[in-house]
Amino acid sequence: EIVLTQSPGTLSLSPGERATLSCRASQSVSSSQLAWYQQKPGQAPRLLIYAAFTRATGIPDRFSGSGSGTDFTLTISRLEPEDFAVYYCQQYGSSWTFGQGTKVEIK
Amino acid sequence: QVQLVQSGAEVKKPGASVKVSCKASGYTFTNYYMHWVRQAPGQGLEWMGIIIPSGGSTTYALKFQGRITMTRDTSTSTVYMELSSLRSEDTAVYYCAFSGNYGVYWGQGTLVTVSS
Repeated sequence: EIVLTQSPGTLSLSPGERATLSCRASQSVSSSQLAWYQQKPGQAPRLLIYAAFTRATGIPDRFSGSGSGTDFTLTISRLEPEDFAVYYCQQYGSSWTFGQGTKVEIK
Repeated sequence: QVQLVQSGAEVKKPGASVKVSCKASGYTFTNYYMHWVRQAPGQGLEWMGIIIPSGGSTTYALKFQGRITMTRDTSTSTVYMELSSLRSEDTAVYYCAFSGNYGVYWGQGTLVTVSS
């Protein structure tokens, strides 16, 4: 099983700042099978990025994904008030695994 | 457009079983494997297993083997997830989802509450 480890656990930032979230895999992940989600309380996960760097439909361009192999990054270039939430990475090969999440909170 | 519509919330007693449905539309049902994922209150996302709609074969996460059954009905493009011997720790939102050509598609989630 591929284990995904996200860091940091919590990121305290102010609106307008840049957020950099990390996802490290225990073994190599196909770039075509790495996704990022945003989740707010009481809501289903919202797909932001798939195939490591492709934005899902309707996702603003302040969200970007990068990386390959075992190290992937989600960057939010300038935080908007609605971006404060929990973010998960996921590998979606034959079985799926998720990171434990990074909470982006208002400083 | 692609839609996965799940059945409504359930309240069950410990030891009971629950069966959640997920009706697919907007794509060819048999072309994509369907997964089930759950999320307990305040916790992360946990993969439960997968069903191949074309043939019905399944693979379950080790944690759920012996308690989980996934089935499908190709005539209605619906997959089902049944979890038995429920305990309080099974209280969670259950999601169906699949990875398609343009990302990963999710149902709206079904809250299952296990309480005496």
